[in-house]
Amino acid sequence: DGGITQSPKYLFRKEGQNVTLSCEQNLNHDAMYWYRQDPGQGLRLIYYSQIVNDFQKGDIAEGYSVSREKKESFPLTVTSAQKNPTAFYLCASSIFPTGGRGYTFGSGTRLTVV
Amino acid sequence: KQEVTQIPAALSVPEGENLVLNCSFTDSAIYNLQWFRQDPGKGLTSLLLIQSSQREQTSGRLNASLDKSSGRSTLYIAASQPGDSATYLCAGMDSNYQLIWGAGTKLIIKP
Repeated sequence: DGGITQSPKYLFRKEGQNVTLSCEQNLNHDAMYWYRQDPGQGLRLIYYSQIVNDFQKGDIAEGYSVSREKKESFPLTVTSAQKNPTAFYLCASSIFPTGGRGYTFGSGTRLTVV
Repeated sequence: KQEVTQIPAALSVPEGENLVLNCSFTDSAIYNLQWFRQDPGKGLTSLLLIQSSQREQTSGRLNASLDKSSGRSTLYIAASQPGDSATYLCAGMDSNYQLIWGAGTKLIIKP
């Protein structure tokens, strides 16, 4: 079955560490997205990519980095510059432009700073 | 800039009732509006997508409407069941094909 796989499900980061969240899709979707979800707030866009080897900053890109070397993969690195990284991170993909096809989401990674 | 609001933040109703969840947006130039369901600690599941030219979409016990002139969308759930308990999020797509999200309504269906 086609879908999006995020790993790991839970991740713990020490102060000053960089950590990388994995996102893989086998839907043949062109566009991929990273969102951050905090309690009581709507999802906020971190980065998105519409095509391989290209990506754009979202609303809250500071302290994060991404790469899109393959169509199927869009990993997110949370760097030590991100001062408040504890959150639930969601990866999504879509046919770009969506043309009404909607988005598919992964099951999320919960990142906690220890 | 487009803003999306969902009120109330939480709702609790007895099983079997019909209910309506509300979503409002500030800019009527919306490309489409989508409703999602999120179970605790999980990702999002797409429920219904309404294009800007459409008025409503239906899937089973769910019906979503879109009124661009008033800046409102509603999600109607008929004959609610405990399994409907989840957080429901709406998101409007702007002209740049980006989703603008509401904070969600946490729905609890009491058996």
